[in-house]
Amino acid sequence: AQSVTQPDIHITVSEGASLELRCNYSYGATPYLFWYVQSPGQGLQLLLKYFSGDTLVQGIKGFEAEFKRSQSSFNLRKPSVHWSDAAEYFCAVGANDYKLSFGAGTTVTVRA
Amino acid sequence: GAVVSQHPSWVICKSGTSVKIECRSLDFQATTMFWYRQFPKQSLMLMATSNEGSKATYEQGVEKDKFLINHASLTLSTLTVTSAHPEDSSFYICSAPRGTSGGAQEQFFGPGTRLTVL
Repeated sequence: AQSVTQPDIHITVSEGASLELRCNYSYGATPYLFWYVQSPGQGLQLLLKYFSGDTLVQGIKGFEAEFKRSQSSFNLRKPSVHWSDAAEYFCAVGANDYKLSFGAGTTVTVRA
Repeated sequence: GAVVSQHPSWVICKSGTSVKIECRSLDFQATTMFWYRQFPKQSLMLMATSNEGSKATYEQGVEKDKFLINHASLTLSTLTVTSAHPEDSSFYICSAPRGTSGGAQEQFFGPGTRLTVL
């Protein structure tokens, strides 16, 4: 069975600073990896996904993530954070049966 | 992008009553939908897979008699919480995959339904 670990429960970052959210996964085969963002009162929005190919994936809103098989990681990054990036971020791993396993989430607070 | 809606967005009910939550894929057909449960400040936990025209499959530990799922059409799945109790209070989210087959499908999530049982 697949599983995801997000080691950071809460991160506070200054507006304009860089952001990195960590994600480690456990899965026996080639993983399908996703990052979602959840804002209060909103549904989950897909930021980016990795299935195969280039290990550096570009997503929406200026986010990118790098898949590192040797480290079983799929960390999310953004070079310059905006106040609107304050939200809950979830890393997820998917299998061929379409089911997703989510990490516990990381809450991002952006300070002015 | 694809849109998945949920209704209602928020419901309060008395203990012992049943509540139905609808999940609709508005601009695509979904033979499979998923129901998740999210406790405050926690992750999403998959409850069940809703299959159009057949029985739902439930994750281990989820009571199928309490959480009834019906996927009557290619655009609608319903989750009925039967004889609800305060411990059933939670945020329920559905999703529907669209795209290529297998795990590479992108899943589109509904906005969620907040259930509060008094």
